[in-house]
Formats: sequence, structure tokens, C-alpha cells
Amino acid sequence: AQTVTQSQPEMSVQEAETVTLSCTYDTSESDYYLFWYKQPPSRQMILVIRQEAYKQQNATENRFSVNFQKAAKSFSLKISDSQLGDAAMYFCAYRSGAGNTPLVFGKGTRLSVIA
Amino acid sequence: DAGVIQSPRHEVTEMGQEVTLRCKPISGHNSLFWYRQTMMRGLELLIYFNNNVPIDDSGMPEDRFSAKMPNASFSTLKIQPSEPRDSAVYFCASRAASGRGGGNEQFFGPGTRLTVL
Repeated sequence: AQTVTQSQPEMSVQEAETVTLSCTYDTSESDYYLFWYKQPPSRQMILVIRQEAYKQQNATENRFSVNFQKAAKSFSLKISDSQLGDAAMYFCAYRSGAGNTPLVFGKGTRLSVIA
Repeated sequence: DAGVIQSPRHEVTEMGQEVTLRCKPISGHNSLFWYRQTMMRGLELLIYFNNNVPIDDSGMPEDRFSAKMPNASFSTLKIQPSEPRDSAVYFCASRAASGRGGGNEQFFGPGTRLTVL
């Protein structure tokens, strides 16, 4: 079974600075997808960024980018120019590329942004 | 589209009562997922359906939990009888199929916060 590990329960960053959230995963599959979700206090789950395992290029969405190291099974999220609205729980998630399968989530990292 | 709709948003009940959570997926999506979120265990999959058929219910904690999807636009998660340890946020999510089984986004509902006293 696939597992996702987020080793940082809590992180903090100064406004306008950069922060990196860590995620590692374990799988024997070669075809899969990785995601970062944001959960603000409203508890709505919001997709931040996605990475296809077959793509070597790291995904980027505005201030959010990933460092995908397939051999190391590492998938970190970098948030640049942090804003107060970035404060939330961040979940790393894995999904198999085989069929309509569910997401496997890490335990999450709570990010605080300090003004 | 209104997104994934869940009801109720909040439910407070007493131990032993029956609880029914409802979900309307996004029209055209053929996969539906029920997750539970707690502080201790994080986000866990309870059950998921493809084309209204339950595929994997190994995450359903006990026989007290049951889920149905009678048609493509409606699903229920029932707990009978409820216990205090069932207190959690329950999320429903849906996703469209793709030929590659691939990276289509999974859309989440707003969740139902269940408190069992």
C-alpha cells in the first residue's frame, strides 16, 4: 500500500519570505500523481498544485512550485512571497495512475504566516 | 456548476442515534469518494464508488457504517448507531473519469462536521 509522510507538523514563515514544506511517499508503482492541497480554517479542500510522475519538469502555479525527486520519492512544496492568506493546513497526496483510484493523504503541515 | 454539495454542514446528535450524511457530486463525474478527517488519523478514505458501484469499502470502520449510491447524482453515508468516537469531519469528493485514469482533479465538498455526544 502507498503511504505519504509529512514530517513537519507545523511550520511558520514571515510574510513575503519563502517556505518549503516536505513530503515523502512510498510506492512500487511507476505511474502516479502527486498533489498538494490547502485547507484553510473554512475546512474547504483546495487543490494547490499537481505533478504527474512521468513528467520530469517540476510543476509551478504562480507563487507555488514543487521539487519532485522521483528516485528519492520526495515531493516538496515551495511557497514564495508568502502572504497572510497562505496560512492553512497543507496536505500532500498520492494517487495511483491506474484507474479511478482515491487519494492517499499525509497527515498535514500547519503553516502560519507572521506579519 | 455548484460543486459538490453536502448536507448537513453540521450535525450534533446523541450517542445511539442514526446519522445520515448526504452528498450530491458534480454532474458528469463518475467517481465518488467519502473521506473522514480527525485530528488523530488525518484524512482517511472510507469508501469509493465508480459508476455508482462500490469499489473499495475497506476503510469503513465497522458495520455501523454503511454507504449507498442509488444513482449518479446522490450518495449517503449512514452511521447506526452513532458513537462519540465517530465525531469528525466527513468529506465527499467527486471526479470525472479520464481515459488514462489520470490526473483529473478531485473536487471536495465543504464537509459535514459531526459531533456525537
